[in-house]
Amino acid sequence: QVQLVQSGAEVKKPGASVTVSCTASGYTFTSYYMHWVRQAPGQGLEWMGIINPNGGTTSYPQKFQGRLTMTRDTSTNTVYMELSSLRSEDTAVYYCARVNDYFAITGAFDVWGQGTMVTVSS
Amino acid sequence: EIVLTQSPGTLSLSPGERATLSCRASQSVRSSYLAWYQQKPGQAPRLLIYGASSRATGIPDRFSGSGSGTDFTLTISRLEPEDFAVYYCQQYGTSLTFGGGTKVEIK
Repeated sequence: QVQLVQSGAEVKKPGASVTVSCTASGYTFTSYYMHWVRQAPGQGLEWMGIINPNGGTTSYPQKFQGRLTMTRDTSTNTVYMELSSLRSEDTAVYYCARVNDYFAITGAFDVWGQGTMVTVSS
Repeated sequence: EIVLTQSPGTLSLSPGERATLSCRASQSVRSSYLAWYQQKPGQAPRLLIYGASSRATGIPDRFSGSGSGTDFTLTISRLEPEDFAVYYCQQYGTSLTFGGGTKVEIK
């Protein structure tokens, strides 16, 4: 079945970097754009950016530019999200999510990873 | 950036009742590119509706979406016990933003 499996929880100190992975299975990895969304404890959903698994091109909202890097490895069907210069406000559950239409840059997200808790604390 | 405002913040209803959730956009959502998600504690969001009114695969027909432009509605015709959750709207016509959510709780 179609699924996205993310790496496990992380605890990081302020100023450090974190990398979260998301491995896809059950579909053609390079045919669907992947997005990242985060959710701070008790809060709503925040869009972080997008990666094209086919060519590796990315787009991030201005809020995250300079701190966020998304990459992919087509040999393992995995996308990565690296966030640097972490601060306490980055404490959140991070999700990868697939767009529901092949080759569509954006859209509704029909498949989600299980989420990865990232805690930033000194 | 398109800001999505969801109302009410909390909806207290009983099983079997009808739920009407609102999502208002600060500017027109292009091509009705609006989706609705359900999220339960400790779980990832689940896609319910896309394109403002199309049900996602496997979603029961008690869930329906409507609206266009700046005003959108998610209706749950008869609440089942498993429908009590938080609901988010999302627009993907101009960049991508989420609403703040509506919690549907048991009265």
